[in-house]
Amino acid sequence: AQTVTQSQPEMSVQEAETVTLSCTYDTSESDYYLFWYKQPPSRQMILVIRQEAYKQQNATENRFSVNFQKAAKSFSLKISDSQLGDAAMYFCAYRSPYVGADGLTFGKGTHLIIQP
Amino acid sequence: GAVVSQHPSRVICKSGTSVKIECRSLDFQATTMFWYRQFPKQSLMLMATSNEGSKATYEQGVEKDKFLINHASLTLSTLTVTSAHPEDSSFYICSALGLAGGREQFFGPGTRLTVL
Repeated sequence: AQTVTQSQPEMSVQEAETVTLSCTYDTSESDYYLFWYKQPPSRQMILVIRQEAYKQQNATENRFSVNFQKAAKSFSLKISDSQLGDAAMYFCAYRSPYVGADGLTFGKGTHLIIQP
Repeated sequence: GAVVSQHPSRVICKSGTSVKIECRSLDFQATTMFWYRQFPKQSLMLMATSNEGSKATYEQGVEKDKFLINHASLTLSTLTVTSAHPEDSSFYICSALGLAGGREQFFGPGTRLTVL
């Protein structure tokens, strides 16, 4: 079974600064998908960014980028120019590529605090 | 596009009663939906995979007779918590799998269940 580990229960960053959230995972599969989701106080899950394991290039979405290290099974999220609206729980998630086994496995989450 | 709704958003019931939660994909068809449970200050845990027209697949440790899942159409899956007890109180979130490339999951807003 796959596992996802987020070792930072809480992170704090000054507004406009950069913060990196860490995530490691364990799998025996060679192809898979990785995601970062944001969960604000409303509890609505919002997709931040996704990465296909077969792609070597790190995914980027505006201020959000990942550092995907497949050999190390590491998938960190970098948020640049942090904004107050970025404050939320952030969950790293893994998904198998196989149809029928593609429910998400989530890490325990990192609570991100933005200091004004 | 890709909107998923859940109803009700919150429900309070007495111990021993059954509660039904609906998950609908509003603007797309979803042959596969997922049900997750999130306890306070914890991560999302996959409970089951719901496939249209067939039986749901439950994760290890999830009682299929207690959490009945029905996926009768391409836009609706229901989760019924039977004979609910206080320990079933939780936040239940569904997601629907899009058919576009990448098979992204779109999340509903969640249902908060409180069993007295």
